[in-house]
Amino acid sequence: AQSVTQLGSHVSVSEGALVLLRCNYSSSVPPYLFWYVQYPNQGLQLLLKYTTGATLVKGINGFEAEFKKSETSFHLTKPSAHMSDAAEYFCAVSLDNDMRFGAGTRLTVKP
Amino acid sequence: EAQVTQNPRYLITVTGKKLTVTCSQNMNHEYMSWYRQDPGLGLRQIYYSMNVEVTDKGDVPEGYKVSRKEKRNFPLILESPSPNQTSLYFCASSLGSGGYTQYFGPGTRLTVL
Repeated sequence: AQSVTQLGSHVSVSEGALVLLRCNYSSSVPPYLFWYVQYPNQGLQLLLKYTTGATLVKGINGFEAEFKKSETSFHLTKPSAHMSDAAEYFCAVSLDNDMRFGAGTRLTVKP
Repeated sequence: EAQVTQNPRYLITVTGKKLTVTCSQNMNHEYMSWYRQDPGLGLRQIYYSMNVEVTDKGDVPEGYKVSRKEKRNFPLILESPSPNQTSLYFCASSLGSGGYTQYFGPGTRLTVL
């Protein structure tokens, strides 16, 4: 069965700094990969996803992620953090009929 | 407005008292799912449904039941809640499984005393 590991339960960056949130997956075949964001007291919403094709995926709010099959990774990046990016971020993999989420990374943005 | 709704949003109950959390979507989605979110564990899938009358267990189904009698509704039933089911619950729906985007409800915070 597939699984997801997010490295770092908390990441803190300064406003304007690079955001890098790490995600590695385990799967027998390349799965579908997702990043979701959860703002306080809200449900999750999709940031971006990889299904097929181009391995560099661009999402909303300036985020992007690159699928690297050889490294089984799908790290999320944003060149310049904004205060509004403070939230919890979840990496997820889907194969067949179920979806597995990572434990989440809480991003703090310092002024 | 396309949305997934859940009710109630907050619920405090006692051990053993049956409860139902409702979930409804207005997007004509075939796939629906229930998750629980616990600190440090992320979201774990409880049950999912591929279509009407088709449901299957996720990772943590023990103590829960679901039904899918209509396409738009997917209630979560706790017949005898216990304190270890205190959690934040999310319903989600999508056109299908696999690479389809899931749309999440606002969550139901359940406390079982």
